[in-house]
Amino acid sequence: QKEVEQNSGPLSVPEGAIASLNCTYSDRVSQSFFWYRQYSGKSPELIMSIYSNGDKEDGRFTAQLNKASQYVSLLIRDSQPSDSATYLCAVNGNYGQNFVFGPGTRLSVLP
Amino acid sequence: GAVVSQHPSRVICKSGTSVKIECRSLDFQATTMFWYRQFPKQSLMLMATSNEGSKATYEQGVEKDKFLINHASLTLSTLTVTSAHPEDSSFYICSASAPSGVNSPLHFGNGTRLTVT
Repeated sequence: QKEVEQNSGPLSVPEGAIASLNCTYSDRVSQSFFWYRQYSGKSPELIMSIYSNGDKEDGRFTAQLNKASQYVSLLIRDSQPSDSATYLCAVNGNYGQNFVFGPGTRLSVLP
Repeated sequence: GAVVSQHPSRVICKSGTSVKIECRSLDFQATTMFWYRQFPKQSLMLMATSNEGSKATYEQGVEKDKFLINHASLTLSTLTVTSAHPEDSSFYICSASAPSGVNSPLHFGNGTRLTVT
């Protein structure tokens, strides 16, 4: 069974610090990887996608992928209290419509 | 970007009644849509995969006769919670991906908060 694992947290970081969120996945043939942010009471929203090994930067967010280690991470620089949310890691296999979500990591940015 | 619209955003119904939730892909055609349920402070749980023109595929433990899914067109899927009970109260979220290959992300609707009294 395909699995995606995340530390549930809460992960607490002070405002302005770097938040590091980690995710591991079990299906070695996974092709695409996504990070979603979910505020309490809201639906998830896509913040980053990554498909190739290495880093991908978008503003304050950097996604990192290491397929050999089956590991994907999200770094949030200059964390803000508005970044406080649950971050979901999602992995899609080579079949296209085969998304598997991790349980999410709750991030709390302290002012 | 791909937009998924879900309606209603909130519904309160009495025990024993049925509730229909609509999910529309506004700017793309979705042959497959996904329905999730989320209880407070818990993870997203996939309920079923909705396939246009064919029967939905339900996850283990999800009653197909209770959660009726209809995907009659490439832009609309509906979830009907039949004979709702208080334990069905939850946050229901639909999602779909634009059909541009394995790298297409899932886009979520805004969710429907169902309260059964």
